[in-house]
Amino acid sequence: KAGVTQTPRYLIKTRGQQVTLSCSPISGHRSVSWYQQTPGQGLQFLFEYFSETQRNKGNFPGRFSGRQFSNSRSEMNVSTLELGDSALYLCASSLQGDSGANVLTFGAGSRLTVL
Amino acid sequence: SQQGEEDPQALSIQEGENATMNCSYKTSINNLQWYRQNSGRGLVHLILIRSNEREKHSGRLRVTLDTSKKSSSLLITASRAADTASYFCATGGKAAGNKLTFGGGTRVLVKP
Repeated sequence: KAGVTQTPRYLIKTRGQQVTLSCSPISGHRSVSWYQQTPGQGLQFLFEYFSETQRNKGNFPGRFSGRQFSNSRSEMNVSTLELGDSALYLCASSLQGDSGANVLTFGAGSRLTVL
Repeated sequence: SQQGEEDPQALSIQEGENATMNCSYKTSINNLQWYRQNSGRGLVHLILIRSNEREKHSGRLRVTLDTSKKSSSLLITASRAADTASYFCATGGKAAGNKLTFGGGTRVLVKP
């Protein structure tokens, strides 16, 4: 079956703009999580959605938001982009979500560069 | 902030040798997982060990978990050039959901 699909794979934005990233999970997976990866901070958890509800949220400012649709596809949005938002954004899906004991399947990521 | 620290940060070995990397974490966990990442791409799950397990094997991988020391190790035996990647440990807490906290990673270079 198809893996986790993230679009776009690469994008360049300028400071102050906003960006929307999309993630299509593996069919049947209801949990979608987002992570930010940078050389300085490593992999950091952004948020998790399960059945269209945000279940967990990391320590990111309100400029970072997300949502999940009824077909489990998810989007994340970053508004008022800053240079420090340049990163690889990774989406991961999981079959279900209890007690963090599930394996995550990651997409290839969306690499955002903010100029 | 990151839960775990990984040691070493980088490792260079010859093909056929074993590679060992360690992960330490700070808080109580439900499970610990190891993932591999090739060259800035997505992460691939390798193995999951639950907090009540001490050792687990999967092919050429061996993972140990010591909850009293809050540490885990990943051993890759008979390494291959294709094992060149970054390896991350990730801890899952007891709360519901799939929030994983990742360590800083170990970059492994396997020279042919």
